[in-house]
Amino acid sequence: AQKVTQAQTEISVVEKEDVTLDCVYETRDTTYYLFWYKQPPSGELVFLIRRNSFDEQNEISGRYSWNFQKSTSSFNFTITASQVVDSAVYFCALSEPNQGGKLIFGQGTELSVKP
Amino acid sequence: EAGVVQSPRYKIIEKKQPVAFWCNPISGHNTLYWYLQNLGQGPELLIRYENEEAVDDSQLPKDRFSAERLKGVDSTLKIQPAELGDSAVYLCASSLSGLVPGELFFGEGSRLTVL
Repeated sequence: AQKVTQAQTEISVVEKEDVTLDCVYETRDTTYYLFWYKQPPSGELVFLIRRNSFDEQNEISGRYSWNFQKSTSSFNFTITASQVVDSAVYFCALSEPNQGGKLIFGQGTELSVKP
Repeated sequence: EAGVVQSPRYKIIEKKQPVAFWCNPISGHNTLYWYLQNLGQGPELLIRYENEEAVDDSQLPKDRFSAERLKGVDSTLKIQPAELGDSAVYLCASSLSGLVPGELFFGEGSRLTVL
C-alpha cells in the first residue's frame, strides 16, 4: 500500500537557522515519484520538486535541498538559513505510474520561522 | 497565464443544505482533480478527470457528492445534502496529462463550513 509519513507536525525555528523536514514513504512499486509542495496561508499548494525513483542524486535549489535515500525510503527536505517567508505547511507526496498523476500526501509539517 | 481558479473561496451553510464548488483549470490542461483537505491533514483525492471523463472516482462518496466536467474544461463539485463532517477545504488541481506524474497546479481552495 502507498503511504507517506511526515512525523513532524510542527517545527519552530528562528530566522537563519537550518531546518530539515522529514518524509518517509511506503510503496510496492519500483517506479514511483516523490514530490514536495508548500502551502502558505493563502491555501494554494505550490510545487517545489519532483523526483523519480531512479534518480537518487541530491538536489539543491538556492536555499532548498533534498536528500533522497531509497535504502531508508526517505525524501527529506532542508531549508538553509531559513527566512520568515518560509513559514508554511510543507507536504511530501508520492505518485505511482498508471495512477493518473494521483498524489498521496503526508500529513504535512507546519514550519514557523520567527524573526 | 492565469492559474487554477476556484469559487467560492468561502462558504458557510447549514447542514442538509446543498452546496456547489466551481473550478476552472489552466488552459490546455486535460487532467483535473478534486481533493479534500481536512484541517491539519494532507489533501486526499476525491475524483480525477481526463478531459470530460471521470476516470477515478473511487474515493467520492456518491450518496451525497457528485461532480461533472462538461466539455472537458471547467468542473463543478456538488454536495447534497451537506453534513457537519463535510466542513473542509475543497481543492481543485490540474495538470497537462496524468500519463506521467508531474507537477499539479492547485487553486486556492474553497473552504466549506457546515453549521
